[in-house]
Amino acid sequence: GENVEQHPSTLSVQEGDSAVIKCTYSDSASNYFPWYKQELGKRPQLIIDIRSNVGEKKDQRIAVTLNKTAKHFSLHITETQPEDSAVYFCAASKAGTALIFGKGTTLSVSS
Amino acid sequence: DAGVIQSPRHEVTEMGQEVTLRCKPISGHDYLFWYRQTMMRGLELLIYFNNNVPIDDSGMPEDRFSAKMPNASFSTLKIQPSEPRDSAVYFCASSYSRASVAFFGQGTRLTVV
Repeated sequence: GENVEQHPSTLSVQEGDSAVIKCTYSDSASNYFPWYKQELGKRPQLIIDIRSNVGEKKDQRIAVTLNKTAKHFSLHITETQPEDSAVYFCAASKAGTALIFGKGTTLSVSS
Repeated sequence: DAGVIQSPRHEVTEMGQEVTLRCKPISGHDYLFWYRQTMMRGLELLIYFNNNVPIDDSGMPEDRFSAKMPNASFSTLKIQPSEPRDSAVYFCASSYSRASVAFFGQGTRLTVV
């Protein structure tokens, strides 16, 4: 089955810096790659996703890139703000299957 | 739509007792997922259903765990008997097949003492 590895497990940045989180997946048939943000005590919420027919997608300060050949994808957050502090999860799936999540990255943005 | 609804939000029970967690998916969604979240293991997939039929239960840790989906608007996850190592946050999520975007409920925090 699918296996998703996520790095780093913790990331500390200064406000205004960029943050990058990387994930690799094992199943070459996976074609959907979402990123979720989870604040303390809350549910995971989708922040951005990308499908395998697209190499990059942006939404304001957030971008995701996908390298199908290498089977890895990354989340980029620019101009980080304290409210970006949370746990971020990457995931992968193929049509009709469940999302398999990475172990998460705890992002801390200090002002 | 109110989103995915889980109950209870918190459950404290004694070891050996039966625990039942409940989930109401978003109307029209045909996939329902149960995940367990712990610090050590992250978000683990336990089981998922498509059109009320269990598709993959390979993530269910032991026979003590069982899940049902009697209709499109309700699912349960039961643990019998419960053990302290079952303490975790259990999330239910649902999706509409083609979109694949999964929406999570607020979770049930289970503590087994």
